[in-house]
Amino acid sequence: ETGVTQTPRHLVMGMTNKKSLKCEQHLGHNAMYWYKQSAKKPLELMFVYSLEERVENNSVPSRFSPECPNSSHLFLHLHTLQPEDSALYLCASSRSRQATYEQYFGPGTRLTVT
Amino acid sequence: AQSVAQPEDQVNVAEGNPLTVKCTYSVSGNPYLFWYVQYPNRGLQFLLKYITGDNLVKGSYGFEAEFNKSQTSFHLKKPSALVSDSALYFCAAHGGAQKLVFGQGTRLTINP
Repeated sequence: ETGVTQTPRHLVMGMTNKKSLKCEQHLGHNAMYWYKQSAKKPLELMFVYSLEERVENNSVPSRFSPECPNSSHLFLHLHTLQPEDSALYLCASSRSRQATYEQYFGPGTRLTVT
Repeated sequence: AQSVAQPEDQVNVAEGNPLTVKCTYSVSGNPYLFWYVQYPNRGLQFLLKYITGDNLVKGSYGFEAEFNKSQTSFHLKKPSALVSDSALYFCAAHGGAQKLVFGQGTRLTINP
């Protein structure tokens, strides 16, 4: 799993805090993704970036703000979160957004909102 | 709308026996189908995919999957299960221009 790394691995934050999740891919891919994984629910796609341009935003609340400064790095800025936002946040990358390419996932950040 | 169904939340198999994890899909157009595995405290790992061609696809760790267009299914199989195969398995489908959609996952437990 050294292809896609995520930091921190665990994060506990209060509802008034501001924090950021970081993702880095070492695979030379052009597309990056943020997913939310909650217990007993399908993975929820949050954001998609292709060549550093946001191409998809799946009705995600504005308290989640993504940033993609280059094709290797992806951030998810968090502010004034709610307890229901507690989940595993997964970053993924793929060679391109084309449907035929598989995605490579990082280990995730386990977020707890108190 | 696209959807993926994994009808079994949990599958239990004895070590050495064959295993099957079921998946059915609903997408418009030609389907691109994937299986991923998630071990505890890890991200998802790609196992195999069907894009076109042979209906039987072989992947990592001895897994294979059979694409059945008439039944809109893409079941994951392995001839002889190992205890180390115990994990959470996700089926995913992509209908061309649409986004990748995942099933809810099936927890596979291989009993020694």
